[in-house]
Amino acid sequence: DAGVIQSPRHEVTEMGQEVTLRCKPISGHNSLFWYRQTMMRGLELLIYFNNNVPIDDSGMPEDRFSAKMPNASFSTLKIQPSEPRDSAVYFCASSLMDGVLDEQYFGPGTRLTVT
Amino acid sequence: SQQGEEDPQALSIQEGENATMNCSYKTSINNLQWYRQNSGRGLVHLILIRSNEREKHSGRLRVTLDTSKKSSSLLITASRAADTASYFCATDAGYGNKLVFGAGTILRVKS
Repeated sequence: DAGVIQSPRHEVTEMGQEVTLRCKPISGHNSLFWYRQTMMRGLELLIYFNNNVPIDDSGMPEDRFSAKMPNASFSTLKIQPSEPRDSAVYFCASSLMDGVLDEQYFGPGTRLTVT
Repeated sequence: SQQGEEDPQALSIQEGENATMNCSYKTSINNLQWYRQNSGRGLVHLILIRSNEREKHSGRLRVTLDTSKKSSSLLITASRAADTASYFCATDAGYGNKLVFGAGTILRVKS
């Protein structure tokens, strides 16, 4: 298996622009997680899905952020409009959750820079 | 707020030495996990220890868990330069279905 795939790997955009990050989880995994990592705040869970349904989005910073999972093999995280403080590395992770939380497999991340 | 707090924040050792990192947490947990992150990469799962376990081994890794003290330690024996990375503990914080990560320990192994 290729592991969790994220695209793009790097994104540079101007403030106010829409940004869409993409993730393909490991085939057969039923849970998907979006994280944001910064030096100041560390690794933060933004939202997670189980069987394509959003379960907990309490970590989503504000309404500018939205996430979807239209099917088991694809998820997007969208920021509209983007702001410089959104600059961070965004990770997607997937897991096979069978009632008990097990190990998560992380993608390589998308480094977002908003100028 | 972060559930797990690693200690020390940074650790520098010589190749061949052992490295010990500690993690403390605040609430009851079902399990605790350790992850490694190499610079510019995603996190990689190292080991999971359940709340009813006290010690677990995986290769050169040894993890202990003391639920009475709400703490865990990760020991890397006979360290190698390739072990240079950031190490994070993560707990389910009693939620059971999501992880809360600590701030991490930066380990540097000098050759």
